[in-house]
Amino acid sequence: EDKVVQSPLSLVVHEGDTVTLNCSYEVTNFRSLLWYKQEKKAPTFLFMLTSSGIEKKSGRLSSILDKKELSSILNITATQTGDSAIYLCAQYSGNTGKLIFGQGTTLQVKP
Amino acid sequence: GAGVSQSPRYKVAKRGQDVALRCDPISGHVSLFWYQQALGQGPEFLTYFQNEAQLDKSGLPSDRFFAERPEGSVSTLKIQRTQQEDSAVYLCASSLERSSYEQYFGPGTRLTVT
Repeated sequence: EDKVVQSPLSLVVHEGDTVTLNCSYEVTNFRSLLWYKQEKKAPTFLFMLTSSGIEKKSGRLSSILDKKELSSILNITATQTGDSAIYLCAQYSGNTGKLIFGQGTTLQVKP
Repeated sequence: GAGVSQSPRYKVAKRGQDVALRCDPISGHVSLFWYQQALGQGPEFLTYFQNEAQLDKSGLPSDRFFAERPEGSVSTLKIQRTQQEDSAVYLCASSLERSSYEQYFGPGTRLTVT
């Protein structure tokens, strides 16, 4: 059964800290791995990773995929209180387009 | 902007009641997905439509759950005889193309069954 596991489940840091969120997956028909940020209700798209070893970067956020280890990390540098959210990792199989999500990492950034 | 909208945003139902949750996808989007997100969990896939055709309903937890998209636009998720374990946020997402990873999510409907 396809599965996505995230760690840690929750994290509390102070502004300016750097955090690393982890995602591992077990999928039979892997196409891509995606990261979302969820504030309040609707998840918003951050990154899509398809190729191993190629870092995707957007401002203070970056992510990379390791297909050999079936894992991905999301890094946030110089964290701000506005980074407080749930970060979701999802696997996309491409057959029907459904996303299989991990349970999420709740990040709280304190001033 | 014309994003995905869902209504109602909050719904409280007594156990045993039927509920209907509505999703208005982005205009022209072919694919529509429903997800269920329990407290402290990631979203879980319920069902998928391509236009009006329901191509995958493997995630619907029981036959009390029913979804439709009769004209290939607005979709309704209906839950009959609600149970407490149905309490969750129900998210709708749409994408422009078939089998596209680029899904745009609505704000969700928080259902509380008392």
